[in-house]
Amino acid sequence: SQKIEQNSEALNIQEGKTATLTCNYTNYSPAYLQWYRQDPGRGPVFLLLIRENEKEKRKERLKVTFDTTLKQSLFHITASQPADSATYLCALEGMDSNYQLIWGAGTKLIIKP
Amino acid sequence: SQTIHQWPATLVQPVGSPLSLECTVEGTSNPNLYWYRQAAGRGLQLLFYSVGIGQISSEVPQNLSASRPQDRQFILSSKKLLLSDSGFYLCAWTSRVGGTDTQYFGPGTRLTVL
Repeated sequence: SQKIEQNSEALNIQEGKTATLTCNYTNYSPAYLQWYRQDPGRGPVFLLLIRENEKEKRKERLKVTFDTTLKQSLFHITASQPADSATYLCALEGMDSNYQLIWGAGTKLIIKP
Repeated sequence: SQTIHQWPATLVQPVGSPLSLECTVEGTSNPNLYWYRQAAGRGLQLLFYSVGIGQISSEVPQNLSASRPQDRQFILSSKKLLLSDSGFYLCAWTSRVGGTDTQYFGPGTRLTVL
C-alpha cells in the first residue's frame, strides 16, 4: 500500500534561516505531490503542487523539489518568519487516482524570533 | 470565488446521541466532496467522498454515514456517537484542473463526545 512519511518531530528554526521539511513516499510513483499548511484549529490550506516531470517549483519564499528516484519531496521556506510557524502536510495522488489524495501526518514547524 | 462552509464550529455531545454535520460549497458546480477526521496531532483520515448527488464512497467502516442530497451539500451523520468519534471533522472539495486534485477545506468542526 502507499505510504507517506513526514518527520513527526517538530522542527525548530531560527527566524531568517531556511526551513526544510521532508516528505518521503513508498510503493508508488505519483503523478504529482502537494504541500499544504495547517494552523491550529483550522483546515489545511493548499500551497504548492509539483508534477512528476517538474524538478522544482517556486512561489515567493517557498520552494518545492520532487525527486522521483529518491521518492522524496523537499519543502523549503527561505527567510523564515514566526508567522510561518504551522504544521505542513504533504499529499500525493492516490494510486488508483480515485479522486483521493494520500496524506502525510505533517511536520510542525516552529520559527523562533 | 468558491467558498466552503461547515457548521457547527464546535459540538459537545453525549455518548449514544445522534450527529449531523453539514457542509456546503458555493461558487462551483459538481464538486467532488470529502469528509475527513483528524485526531489531535495526527494526519487526515478520509471517511467519505462523493463524486455526485447520492454517490457516496466509504473509506472506513464505522458508525458514521454520509449523504449528498444536493450538488453542493454534504452531510455527515451518526445514529449513536461513540467516545472514539471525538475529533476534528473537516469537509473539503476538489477542483479537478489539469488532471490534479487540489483540495480546499472548510473551517472544521471540533466534536467532543463525553
